[in-house]
Amino acid sequence: RKEVEQDPGPFNVPEGATVAFNCTYSNSASQSFFWYRQDCRKEPKLLMSVYSSGNEDGRFTAQLNRASQYISLLIRDSKLSDSATYLCVVNPTSGSARQLTFGSGTQLTVLP
Amino acid sequence: DVKVTQSSRYLVKRTGEKVFLECVQDMDHENMFWYRQDPGLGLRLIYFSYDVKMKEKGDIPEGYSVSREKKERFSLILESASTNQTSMYLCASSSPRRGGETQYFGPGTRLLVL
Repeated sequence: RKEVEQDPGPFNVPEGATVAFNCTYSNSASQSFFWYRQDCRKEPKLLMSVYSSGNEDGRFTAQLNRASQYISLLIRDSKLSDSATYLCVVNPTSGSARQLTFGSGTQLTVLP
Repeated sequence: DVKVTQSSRYLVKRTGEKVFLECVQDMDHENMFWYRQDPGLGLRLIYFSYDVKMKEKGDIPEGYSVSREKKERFSLILESASTNQTSMYLCASSSPRRGGETQYFGPGTRLLVL
C-alpha cells in the first residue's frame, strides 16, 4: 500500500464549478499535512498547509480527518488558472522529521 | 524570495556515462533534497542532506550518489547512467529555522538516457 494515495483523475470541470480532491495516508503517526500545486512542466509549490481544525485560503479549503487518515482539498468557483496537478503531502515522522512523502497527484483541468 | 536553481533543464546522456546534476539554493537552507518524478509514481526521494558533508539515503538511492561540500550546493551523481534513470529530477531545500517543513523546489532537470 502506498504511504499517500490520491485519485489521479483527471478531473475536468467547467469554470465556476466546485471540485474536491481526497487523499489518504497510511501512517497514523503523521503530524503534518500539506497540499502542493504543480503546473505542467514546472516544479511543485506549496499551496497550503492542512491543520486539524481545517483551514481556508480564499477559494481553497483544506480539511484533515485524523480518525480516517484522510485529507481533502476543496476548490470553489474554479478558474482556468487552477488547472494543475495537486499533490497531497505528508510528514510521516517515522523517519527524519525533515522528510516529506508526496502523493502521485490529482490532475485538474478547468474548462472554459 | 527563495531561489533554487538546477544546472540544466534538459540533458541527454548515453548508457554508462557519468552524470552530474547540480543544485544551488540562495537562502542559507540547511536541508537539501533530490527527488525523481515519474508518471504515476509521484516524487520519490533519492537522497537528502541536512548539513554540509552530511547525507542520508532516501527511498531509492540505488545507482545514485550525492555530494554536499558547501551549504548552498547539493550534487546528484549517476555513476553509470542507465535507461531506467530517464526521469525528471527535482532538487528542493528547506530550513527548520524558517518555514519549517516547506520545501522549495528548483525547476527540474529532464534527463534522457539513451
